[in-house]
Amino acid sequence: EPEVTQTPSHQVTQMGQEVILRCVPISNHLYFYWYRQILGQKVEFLVSFYNNEISEKSEIFDDQFSVERPDGSNFTLKIRSTKLEDSAMYFCASIYSSGGARRNEQFFGPGTRLTVL
Amino acid sequence: GENVEQHPSTLSVQEGDSAVIKCTYSDSASNYFPWYKQELGKRPQLIIDIRSNVGEKKDQRIAVTLNKTAKHFSLHITETQPEDSAVYFCAAISNFGNEKLTFGTGTRLTIIP
Repeated sequence: EPEVTQTPSHQVTQMGQEVILRCVPISNHLYFYWYRQILGQKVEFLVSFYNNEISEKSEIFDDQFSVERPDGSNFTLKIRSTKLEDSAMYFCASIYSSGGARRNEQFFGPGTRLTVL
Repeated sequence: GENVEQHPSTLSVQEGDSAVIKCTYSDSASNYFPWYKQELGKRPQLIIDIRSNVGEKKDQRIAVTLNKTAKHFSLHITETQPEDSAVYFCAAISNFGNEKLTFGTGTRLTIIP
């Protein structure tokens, strides 16, 4: 069964450094999401992406964050200047779409644990 | 926007007994309600979901009920087993928009052998 994949599984960085988290959604999916989960807390929506543009972003997704789908398969989340509070698990997710009808089930990747020192 | 509340935050149940987790939502336009199980350090895994045109759905030992009028939905696990121990999250999604998930705060379920 196809799965969403994410790399790296764990990223350690110094405060102020840029990081890029990578996701490969399931190949026939067209709607993509990033979520964040701080340790011990709930999963929070960051941003959704469709048709090569952001469709919605949360208040967490400030100017330090950006997303890109550079080559039709990868979906990336960039944090320009990391802060201590960016330490969290970041999950990518995607939704199946066929003929304009969307199913609601979101498929999550395994996550990237980001640690900012 | 949508707000999902979840109770209890922790739940301990004797093996073989039933567990019930409850959630409420605020947006009457929400029409899809998934439940996720998350083990430590792992991704959320969808275990069951329900759409707003259905009041109840069952899959073996797991069932979900939905009361649209009261805007609440519940997860029921019967005949609990040690492997059911995990954190469970409810979520809500609206079809009017980009279908982002709004999660509840999670319930840590511990099954006591």
